[in-house]
Amino acid sequence: SQQGEEDPQALSIQEGENATMNCSYKTSINNLQWYRQNSGRGLVHLILIRSNEREKHSGRLRVTLDTSKKSSSLLITASRAADTASYFCATASYSGNTPLVFGKGTRLSVIA
Amino acid sequence: SQTIHQWPATLVQPVGSPLSLECTVEGTSNPNLYWYRQAAGRGLQLLFYSVGIGQISSEVPQNLSASRPQDRQFILSSKKLLLSDSGFYLCAWIRQAGNTEAFFGQGTRLTVV
Repeated sequence: SQQGEEDPQALSIQEGENATMNCSYKTSINNLQWYRQNSGRGLVHLILIRSNEREKHSGRLRVTLDTSKKSSSLLITASRAADTASYFCATASYSGNTPLVFGKGTRLSVIA
Repeated sequence: SQTIHQWPATLVQPVGSPLSLECTVEGTSNPNLYWYRQAAGRGLQLLFYSVGIGQISSEVPQNLSASRPQDRQFILSSKKLLLSDSGFYLCAWIRQAGNTEAFFGQGTRLTVV
């Protein structure tokens, strides 16, 4: 079953603009992760934020986590055409062996 | 460094034929292993996961099965493929009980005709 739900399903922006994607989930988590998938390829891990963290940065990526609202956002600043991909959030429970549960993803198109 | 190999990259199989997709991991031991399926333009559906040799957990009833004959080998199989088995299959591993990131293979595009 899917826990994370990304919003919007698709997003189209101009190069240089910021892109914001949101993720909502249902149950308590240990951490939340964001992944990127280029068309027809495997997923690549971008960033992990733990349940006791509120914000995390990595390069042009900024992730926030609000456990009271069970939501997270991924911000990509100064987007580039190469950022065009699908982005997925995934949640991990407190049990270390429980699988990551992925959302349906947001398809981002950055137009040059 | 750790790597994950998944093959083949693409596969076209007739309805009713058997299936065997293989995934191997290098550079780590005792990983948690996962098979996901992704329908076109959709999210990832967890099919199977394994926390050790011979230990398989199935998430959804289906026409597929999985096996883990060795620590770093995970195989997805079917005795008779259905049209609905078409999709993009992804293998992934996570450091056991680490609550860390998952590493994905490049995927297999399966088309059942």
